[in-house]
Amino acid sequence: GNSVTQMEGPVTLSEEAFLTINCTYTATGYPSLFWYVQYPGEGLQLLLKATKADDKGSNKGFEATYRKETTSFHLEKGSVQVSDSAVYFCALSDPDTGNQFYFGTGTSLTVIP
Amino acid sequence: GAVVSQHPSWVICKSGTSVKIECRSLDFQATTMFWYRQFPKQSLMLMATSNEGSKATYEQGVEKDKFLINHASLTLSTLTVTSAHPEDSSFYICSASQTSGWQEQYFGPGTRLTVT
Repeated sequence: GNSVTQMEGPVTLSEEAFLTINCTYTATGYPSLFWYVQYPGEGLQLLLKATKADDKGSNKGFEATYRKETTSFHLEKGSVQVSDSAVYFCALSDPDTGNQFYFGTGTSLTVIP
Repeated sequence: GAVVSQHPSWVICKSGTSVKIECRSLDFQATTMFWYRQFPKQSLMLMATSNEGSKATYEQGVEKDKFLINHASLTLSTLTVTSAHPEDSSFYICSASQTSGWQEQYFGPGTRLTVT
């Protein structure tokens, strides 16, 4: 079946630190992979996505590369800011199941000045 | 950008009563709306998919008679939890899509339901 596993939080970093949030997946087909971000009091927003192996999604300084050989889609940012404090969700969508999204449990990130 | 609202943001109800949660697309027409449920420290689980003017499609294990979904217009879908029990307490999140595809899903802020 399809599933997503992401590192548990909470994660607390100082401003300008390097961020990695690990995400691995299992899928029966060839999924698309996503990172969503949820700021306090708001809905989930698409942060970046990758639709095939070796694709790199990037947005707002965040990056993630679709690694088929390691079934991973780790989120990275070189220098975090206080405004990056949020909950981050890794997700996959399997084209064989149409609209079905599979989410990780979310990782809470707090960046302190 | 596309905005989806949910109302109420939190609700407390007594066991045996019913509660309705609204999901609205504020600046676009939503062909498809999705309802998710999230338990503490767990993933979002898709409950059902609804298309405007037709019956919702429920995921396996979701009781359609307990979780009534109505997508009466292109901007509004409602989830009614009937005869609520404490185990129905959860965080309910909706999303809306302008197409039938997943790429265009926009998420609401969620509704916290507590059943006492």
